[in-house]
Amino acid sequence: KQEVTQIPAALSVPEGENLVLNCSFTDSAIYNLQWFRQDPGKGLTSLLLIQSSQREQTSGRLNASLDKSSGRSTLYIAASQPGDSATYLCAAPGDAGNMLTFGGGTRLMVKP
Amino acid sequence: NAGVTQTPKFQVLKTGQSMTLQCAQDMNHNSMYWYRQDPGMGLRLIYYSASEGTTDKGEVPNGYNVSRLNKREFSLRLESAAPSQTSVYFCASSEGWAYNEQFFGPGTRLTVL
Repeated sequence: KQEVTQIPAALSVPEGENLVLNCSFTDSAIYNLQWFRQDPGKGLTSLLLIQSSQREQTSGRLNASLDKSSGRSTLYIAASQPGDSATYLCAAPGDAGNMLTFGGGTRLMVKP
Repeated sequence: NAGVTQTPKFQVLKTGQSMTLQCAQDMNHNSMYWYRQDPGMGLRLIYYSASEGTTDKGEVPNGYNVSRLNKREFSLRLESAAPSQTSVYFCASSEGWAYNEQFFGPGTRLTVL
């Protein structure tokens, strides 16, 4: 059974810092991995989907990497802004199609 | 496009009452999902519909039923609500079953007293 872990659970940084969020998974035979953002009391917004054939995926100030052999993915946020404050979740499919297993999330606070 | 919509946004039930959570998507997606999100437990899959006409159990299906009404709509029913079903419920959809990006609705916050 796929297990997904995110470290750290919470992170507080000053505005402007570059930061890295970590995601690890136990079943490396994954086809893709998805990163989401969740604002308090809101739904999940898809940020990036990395296919197993890709090593990186970029969207604006966000860059996600995937290393299947080590069971790890990272989300890099460049030049962080207060508007980036949210919970970031990663999710990986198990061995049955598109059934996602979610990590516990990293709660990010960017201070002005 | 509205994406994935859910109704209602909030609901309070008494133990034993029933209700149906509604979900609709306008992206012509084939696959739809219901998740629940609980503090300390994260997001867990309740049921999914890989394509119109099919439904299957996820990780935590007990106490729930689903109906894939048509390609756009996927409903979740609680026949006899219990306090343990107090949670935030999210509906999601994806283009297909084969490892596609999932898009989520805004959620329904359910409290069972």
